Amino acid sequence: DAGITQSPRHKVTETGTPVTLRCHQTENHRYMYWYRQDPGHGLRLIHYSYGVKDTDKGEVSDGYSVSRSKTEDFLLTLESATSSQTSVYFCAIRKGQNNSPLHFGNGTRLTVT
Amino acid sequence: QQPVQSPQAVILREGEDAVINCSSSKALYSVHWYRQKHGEAPIFLMILLKGGEQKGHDKISASFNEKKQQSSLYLTASQLSYSGTYFCGTGSQGGSEKLVFGKGTKLTVNP
Repeated sequence: DAGITQSPRHKVTETGTPVTLRCHQTENHRYMYWYRQDPGHGLRLIHYSYGVKDTDKGEVSDGYSVSRSKTEDFLLTLESATSSQTSVYFCAIRKGQNNSPLHFGNGTRLTVT
Repeated sequence: QQPVQSPQAVILREGEDAVINCSSSKALYSVHWYRQKHGEAPIFLMILLKGGEQKGHDKISASFNEKKQQSSLYLTASQLSYSGTYFCGTGSQGGSEKLVFGKGTKLTVNP
């Protein structure tokens, strides 16, 4: 068990509503990541964090914001959800420095209707 | 920019071998390999760093050619449990904390 919990596991929401996904870790690791996974696209990096209040954009950051006010929590917010944001979202942590592997959470399946 | 994986899919019979390739247009500092079963999270297999090293894990091994900016994953004597989608993730020097994944290679091993 990598000590990562994503919540909620499933969510259905309507277009235009705000949505926040939570990633919680129990081991105080510095690096945390949000990816989305869609058929034919693999895993695409949305945002990542390298410490409290330190975040940076990934490949597909438009329409998403993140916050990390505590080491253990990394929040992903869709300010106004769109149908194109229907996806499976994975949080990951890196247990160490740059050459360490990523450990993924179990994912959140988000459907925007 | 996403690394390019090939092939997109491969079907094997148990005991056969397979090679999955991962190439990038950017200079690479590290390459990660992960496997994902349907409906599950990706699971880490191995990391390779620049220097051309080769790593092995049971009957799964990988190589990294930094000059060619590519890595290959070798699966020998495949087992049913090897079925899944394989992803390579690449890190560039100066930004290796940002891991960018390819689109994946779906491997199916049949009895």
